[in-house]
Amino acid sequence: DVKVTQSSRYLVKRTGEKVFLECVQDMDHENMFWYRQDPGLGLRLIYFSYDVKMKEKGDIPEGYSVSREKKERFSLILESASTNQTSMYLCASSFRGNSGANVLTFGAGSRLTVL
Amino acid sequence: GENVEQHPSTLSVQEGDSAVIKCTYSDSASNYFPWYKQELGKRPQLIIDIRSNVGEKKDQRIAVTLNKTAKHFSLHITETQPEDSAVYFCAASPFSGGYQKVTFGTGTKLQVIP
Repeated sequence: DVKVTQSSRYLVKRTGEKVFLECVQDMDHENMFWYRQDPGLGLRLIYFSYDVKMKEKGDIPEGYSVSREKKERFSLILESASTNQTSMYLCASSFRGNSGANVLTFGAGSRLTVL
Repeated sequence: GENVEQHPSTLSVQEGDSAVIKCTYSDSASNYFPWYKQELGKRPQLIIDIRSNVGEKKDQRIAVTLNKTAKHFSLHITETQPEDSAVYFCAASPFSGGYQKVTFGTGTKLQVIP
């Protein structure tokens, strides 16, 4: 079974704090993604990475950065947390194949509350 | 970039009835269309997908149809059961040598009433 593990299930942070969300996958997937999930807005892509040290902005990258120093680990960083970043954050990974099917495997999610 | 619209946002059906969820996409380069199911408190999981060279795909009680000309695709669930209650997300993805950005719709909360 592909496993995508998010280290923190629940976090509470103060406005202005720096926040790190960690994601590790154990299936040697090339692609990794960070989404945020908000009611009525679905899953919105923040950043994705298709290789080590490579990153691409998604649809809502403002206020976030990412790091991919190792293939299995993709970190999401909130440099200065704000209340509008209170959300559920989902990490996902996928194999970069030539078949055209990008099947995402999701982690369990990290629920972040910024006070 | 790609924009995926999904309707309805909520759907209630009686057990045994059919449910249909519709999505439209904007980027003609998209060629892969998955559907994910998210049960309460759980992570989204792929339930079915379709590629642009196929018009319909079935897997037991679920089916997807794709109309590339109109840029819309639909999920059909027949003989619904209480365990089908969940949030369903459609998505669209262009494929370019493995470099793939997956854009999701806003989700449909399906409630199956016993």
